[in-house]
Amino acid sequence: TQLLEQSPQFLSIQEGENLTVYCNSSSVFSSLQWYRQEPGEGPVLLVTVVTGGEVKKLKRLTFQFGDARKDSSLHITAAQPGDTGLYLCAGEGLETSGSRLTFGEGTQLTVNP
Amino acid sequence: DTEVTQTPKHLVMGMTNKKSLKCEQHMGHRAMYWYKQKAKKPPELMFVYSYEKLSINESVPSRFSPECPNSSLLNLHLHALQPEDSALYLCASSQDRGRASYNSPLHFGNGTRLTVT
Repeated sequence: TQLLEQSPQFLSIQEGENLTVYCNSSSVFSSLQWYRQEPGEGPVLLVTVVTGGEVKKLKRLTFQFGDARKDSSLHITAAQPGDTGLYLCAGEGLETSGSRLTFGEGTQLTVNP
Repeated sequence: DTEVTQTPKHLVMGMTNKKSLKCEQHMGHRAMYWYKQKAKKPPELMFVYSYEKLSINESVPSRFSPECPNSSLLNLHLHALQPEDSALYLCASSQDRGRASYNSPLHFGNGTRLTVT
C-alpha cells in the first residue's frame, strides 16, 4: 500500500504571508497531482508533475516534484483569502494500467484578511 | 462550473429509505468514479467503472449499489444506510483509466451532501 503523508494538516495565516505544504512518501510515484477543494465544491486539479525535479508555477503557486519522485511541495507566495481551501496531493502508482490515485490527508488552509 | 453534474446537491434520508444519486458527464470520458468524503478528509475511492464495466469495488458494503447505464451516466443506489454513511459523495470522471492519470486527470462534480437520520 502506498501512503502519502501531507503536512501540515491545518494552517491559518494572515493575508500576504508565504506558506509551504509538503507531501511525502517512501514510495515512488509516476506522477503527482495537486487539487484544491473549496467549501461546497469538489476538488479541482491545480497541476500534475511528472518528471523528477520538475518545477511548475501557477501564478503565486509553485509546485515541485522531488528528484526521486517520492515527495512534492506546494509553495504559495503572498497568500490571499481566495486561496482558502483544502489542498490535496494525490500520487499515481507505477502500474502501467489502471493504477489508483493515493490521496494525502489534506491541508486545510485558512487565509485571514 | 464543473463539467461533471451531480444531483441532488443535498439529500436527507432515513435508514429504511431507498434513494439514488446521479452523475452525468458529457466530456466523452470512459472512466467514472464514486468517492466518499468526510469533513476535512481526503476522498475515499468506492467504485470505478471503465468503459461501462465495474472494474474496482473497494470492499464497499452492499447497501451501496453502483450502476452505469451508459458512458455518460453513473448512479449510486442507496438502501438501508446507517448514520455513519453520512458524507459528501463525489462523482468523478477521467478520459481513460487504462492510461497514466497525468494524461487523464480526475474531473470531480460538486458532490451530493448525504445525511442519514
